[in-house]
Amino acid sequence: AQSVTQLDSHVSVSEGTPVLLRCNYSSSYSPSLFWYVQHPNKGLQLLLKYTSAATLVKGINGFEAEFKKSETSFHLTKPSAHMSDAAEYFCVVSDGGSYIPTFGRGTSLIVHP
Amino acid sequence: DSGVTQTPKHLITATGQRVTLRCSPRSGDLSVYWYQQSLDQGLQFLIQYYNGEERAKGNILERFSAQQFPDLHSELNLSSLELGDSALYFCASSPGIANYGYTFGSGTRLTVV
Repeated sequence: AQSVTQLDSHVSVSEGTPVLLRCNYSSSYSPSLFWYVQHPNKGLQLLLKYTSAATLVKGINGFEAEFKKSETSFHLTKPSAHMSDAAEYFCVVSDGGSYIPTFGRGTSLIVHP
Repeated sequence: DSGVTQTPKHLITATGQRVTLRCSPRSGDLSVYWYQQSLDQGLQFLIQYYNGEERAKGNILERFSAQQFPDLHSELNLSSLELGDSALYFCASSPGIANYGYTFGSGTRLTVV
């Protein structure tokens, strides 16, 4: 069975400082991992995905994530937060057992001016 | 515009009623997934269709049903509605079954009063 745990329900940063959103996964197969963002009253937008190619994945809007198999982690980072980054972020795992994406509970990113 | 179209965007209905939510997948995508997003449960997978056939079931209540039509659009039918069914319902599509990534629609917000 696959599962994903987002370690922080809320993360608060100041504009211009680095962002770190943490995600650990569990999978019996080689997983694919994704980060999605949901702005208030909007749908889910794909930020980036890992599908067994390069372990450091670059996404849109300056975000990137690193797949670490030994730590079963897929943390999302951004060097400098922008006010427009304030949103809910979801880590998602999908593996060869079912190919059904399973969502974490989400991390709310708050950006202070 | 993600390419996945969900209608209606908002729906308000009374307890005990039945509603139908519609999803048109991105052009060329054969798989459709339905998710329910609520504050207490997060994003829960309901059901997946692939090329007209049901492929996987998640936490879908017996009062809920879905189908995918020959033109690949999908409908989620919710009946005997309860207050607890109030949620945001998302549809996602992907090209196939494997982990290509999933494109989400903007959701249907259902309010049961």
